[in-house]
Amino acid sequence: LAKTTQPISMDSYEGQEVNITCSHNNIATNDYITWYQQFPSQGPRFIIQGYKTKVTNEVASLFIPADRKSSTLSLPRVSLSDTAVYYCLVGPHSGGGADGLTFGKGTHLIIQP
Amino acid sequence: DGGITQSPKYLFRKEGQNVTLSCEQNLNHDAMYWYRQDPGQGLRLIYYSQIVNDFQKGDIAEGYSVSREKKESFPLTVTSAQKNPTAFYLCASSRDRGQNTEAFFGQGTRLTVV
Repeated sequence: LAKTTQPISMDSYEGQEVNITCSHNNIATNDYITWYQQFPSQGPRFIIQGYKTKVTNEVASLFIPADRKSSTLSLPRVSLSDTAVYYCLVGPHSGGGADGLTFGKGTHLIIQP
Repeated sequence: DGGITQSPKYLFRKEGQNVTLSCEQNLNHDAMYWYRQDPGQGLRLIYYSQIVNDFQKGDIAEGYSVSREKKESFPLTVTSAQKNPTAFYLCASSRDRGQNTEAFFGQGTRLTVV
């Protein structure tokens, strides 16, 4: 199972671009990288998923270098409502290992006015 | 609307009592999961099921039990054997175990045992 490492917390300000990096040195060939967002007292919500290079959707971009040992979630022009915990998951499944979705502690992103 | 529903949102029980948390999905998903989340912590997998009438233990299954008699339902019972049952419980579902399957989560049940 590929283990992920991400910062415990980050701070930024409204209108800024925020980049959260996740390390996954032992990612396997058939593993995908998936990011989820969780607000307090709610279930996590899928943000974006990628395998290599760059993926972009209406809320975020995901940058994956050629060696795939890390990935960066980019949130453009954040607002106060982007304050949440962000989880990076790696696995052949939508979110984790072969037998489930494995979540670490995530990155607590705090956006200030 | 399609989705995954957990009930109740808040639940209080006396110590020593078993309690069952409900999880229903109408997404026609094969796989369902139960997680526990403690304050400031990530999600820990309790049980998961990939198909009806089949389920596997996750990382912290002791003191919990599940059933999967119907595709849309995956109830979790917190038994009196669970030493620290007070927590936030999350249920999720995904289409299957294949690649590129997004997981959908319910809104959670906050269980307090007094």
